[in-house]
Amino acid sequence: NAGVTQTPKFQVLKTGQSMTLQCAQDMNHNSMYWYRQDPGMGLRLIYYSASEGTTDKGEVPNGYNVSRLNKREFSLRLESAAPSQTSVYFCASQTSRGQGNEQFFGPGTRLTVL
Amino acid sequence: GENVEQHPSTLSVQEGDSAVIKCTYSDSASNYFPWYKQELGKGPQLIIDIRSNVGEKKDQRIAVTLNKTAKHFSLHITETQPEDSAVYFCAARGGTGGFKTIFGAGTRLFVKA
Repeated sequence: NAGVTQTPKFQVLKTGQSMTLQCAQDMNHNSMYWYRQDPGMGLRLIYYSASEGTTDKGEVPNGYNVSRLNKREFSLRLESAAPSQTSVYFCASQTSRGQGNEQFFGPGTRLTVL
Repeated sequence: GENVEQHPSTLSVQEGDSAVIKCTYSDSASNYFPWYKQELGKGPQLIIDIRSNVGEKKDQRIAVTLNKTAKHFSLHITETQPEDSAVYFCAARGGTGGFKTIFGAGTRLFVKA
């Protein structure tokens, strides 16, 4: 099992450009999440998908959109990138919506917006 | 909504000493408290967790304690080793936030050989 994979690992964008961050998990998990990590602020939830076909906003959804393509894949799109979106992005998955289940994280995508 | 505060932000200890990281949470209905370790260039990885019906849990050199009344939980690492050097995050889940996990800001632990 590869666990949670993310592509790309690094990306540099100019302000106003768009891009999609890809995430896939091979653990047959129902729930998937996108977080951003900024220095001194921990991980903040952007969007999540409790199950295939559903998506919901997290703490910091503005400027992002998501697609739960199928049970395995959950993508994050930046339509018009801004310097404030410079961050490290992590995708995570979890077995169910249950409150006591471990989240498994991908290796992250480091995004710089100039 | 839930808020999790974590202290200290940086902790430096000598190899073999103990390290303690403390967190407080605001939502008294939260019922699951995981701790994650993040090594440089990697994603966070769960190292231990505790549920609200338990006061303490131990796994080899690491232990977590929970005080529901004070809404406080702590991570204890004994006999620290250089490979324990990493960033540690506490988190809280449940309550009004449902299954959303709210993370603390992180503690960077340095273990000096």
